[in-house]
Amino acid sequence: DAGVIQSPRHEVTEMGQEVTLRCKPISGHDYLFWYRQTMMRGLELLIYFNNNVPIDDSGMPEDRFSAKMPNASFSTLKIQPSEPRDSAVYFCASSPTGAFYEQYFGPGTRLTVT
Amino acid sequence: AQSVTQPDIHITVSEGASLELRCNYSYGATPYLFWYVQSPGQGLQLLLKYFSGDTLVQGIKGFEAEFKRSQSSFNLRKPSVHWSDAAEYFCAVGAMDNNDMRFGAGTRLTVKP
Repeated sequence: DAGVIQSPRHEVTEMGQEVTLRCKPISGHDYLFWYRQTMMRGLELLIYFNNNVPIDDSGMPEDRFSAKMPNASFSTLKIQPSEPRDSAVYFCASSPTGAFYEQYFGPGTRLTVT
Repeated sequence: AQSVTQPDIHITVSEGASLELRCNYSYGATPYLFWYVQSPGQGLQLLLKYFSGDTLVQGIKGFEAEFKRSQSSFNLRKPSVHWSDAAEYFCAVGAMDNNDMRFGAGTRLTVKP
C-alpha cells in the first residue's frame, strides 16, 4: 500500500514568494495532520483535519500560513509570502478513523527560503 | 496538558550492544505513549505504542518499551543494536481526553562498528 505522499520533496524559494506544499494521505484515513520540524523547536503540529474539515489550527504560526483539504485525498499547505524563518521540514501525516494517535508520516518537504 | 522529555540528546553504542533510550512523561492519568524512528531524510515511522494493558510492549524491528507508571517513564530497549538502527528516535505522548500529541525533542543514536 502506498504511504503518505508529499510533494515536492525539496523546495528552494526566495523570500516573498508563495510556496505550496502538497499531501496525499493514505486511502481511507480521515485524519490529516501538518507538522513542521526545526532544530530549534522540534516537531510542531500546525493544523489537523478530520473528514476534510479543519479541527485545530492553533499551531499555524500566522496569517501567512493557510491549509486546505478540498477532498479526502488531497491537502495543501500554503505560505504567502514566505520568509527565511519558514525554512524547515514540513511533514504531512494521516491516521485512520477512530485512531487519531496512530499517525503515519510522509517523507516530508524540506523548504529553504533564501 | 501532557508533555514528554527525552533526557538524552545523543547516544552512541557499539554494534551488537544493548540499547535503552529514556522517555519521561507528565500527565495526570494514564497516557497514550509512542516511540517513532526517523532515518535521515525520511519521515517518522511508528515503532510501537501503548494504550493500556500489558506494560511491556513489543514493536517492529526488535524494539520493545516498558511503561512504568511509578517512574512516569516509557523507555525504549533493544537487546542487540544493528548499524541500520542509527537514526533519531522520538517519544510521544497523547491522552484519552484530548487530541493532542506531544513529541519529545528526540534522541540521536549513533552506532559504532
